[in-house]
Amino acid sequence: AQSVTQLGSHVSVSEGALVLLRCNYSSSVPPYLFWYVQYPNQGLQLLLKYTSAATLVKGINGFEAEFKKSETSFHLTKPSAHMSDAAEYFCAVSRRHTGGFKTIFGAGTRLFVKA
Amino acid sequence: EPEVTQTPSHQVTQMGQEVILRCVPISNHLYFYWYRQILGQKVEFLVSFYNNEISEKSEIFDDQFSVERPDGSNFTLKIRSTKLEDSAMYFCASSELAGSYEQYFGPGTRLTVT
Repeated sequence: AQSVTQLGSHVSVSEGALVLLRCNYSSSVPPYLFWYVQYPNQGLQLLLKYTSAATLVKGINGFEAEFKKSETSFHLTKPSAHMSDAAEYFCAVSRRHTGGFKTIFGAGTRLFVKA
Repeated sequence: EPEVTQTPSHQVTQMGQEVILRCVPISNHLYFYWYRQILGQKVEFLVSFYNNEISEKSEIFDDQFSVERPDGSNFTLKIRSTKLEDSAMYFCASSELAGSYEQYFGPGTRLTVT
């Protein structure tokens, strides 16, 4: 079975500071890993994805994540936080089957950015 | 850029009533999904649909739920007799091929059961 654990339900950083959102996964097969962002009262927007190519994945809005198999981690980082980054972030792992995908989401981490 | 659309954006219904949530997936996509997010909780998989049949479903997707692709463009989720605990945001998603690894999510329908 697959699962995702996001460490920290809330993270607060100052504008311009490093953003680090932690995600650990469990998967019996090579995983497909994703980070999604959700702004208040909006849907899910894909930030980036790992699909067994390069272990360092760059996404939109300056975010990137590194797949570390030995640590079963896929942490999300951004060098310098912006006020507009305040949102809920979900790490997710996907399993492929003949009829498509089943995606398991983490509980989410709410990012607060202080001026 | 093509996108998944969902209607309505907000649906209010009374307990015991039937509701149908509608989705228009991206036109060349072959795989369709429903997820739900209870307020303040994580997004949960409900069901995947391919080739006009359910390909996988979660334990949440019990007999009160059904999905259908009534024509070439719409994909619907029906809840037969709504309960208070069905109140949630429901997201539709679609993907092109199993190998594309990415699901495209719609904006969601907020269902409120009173």
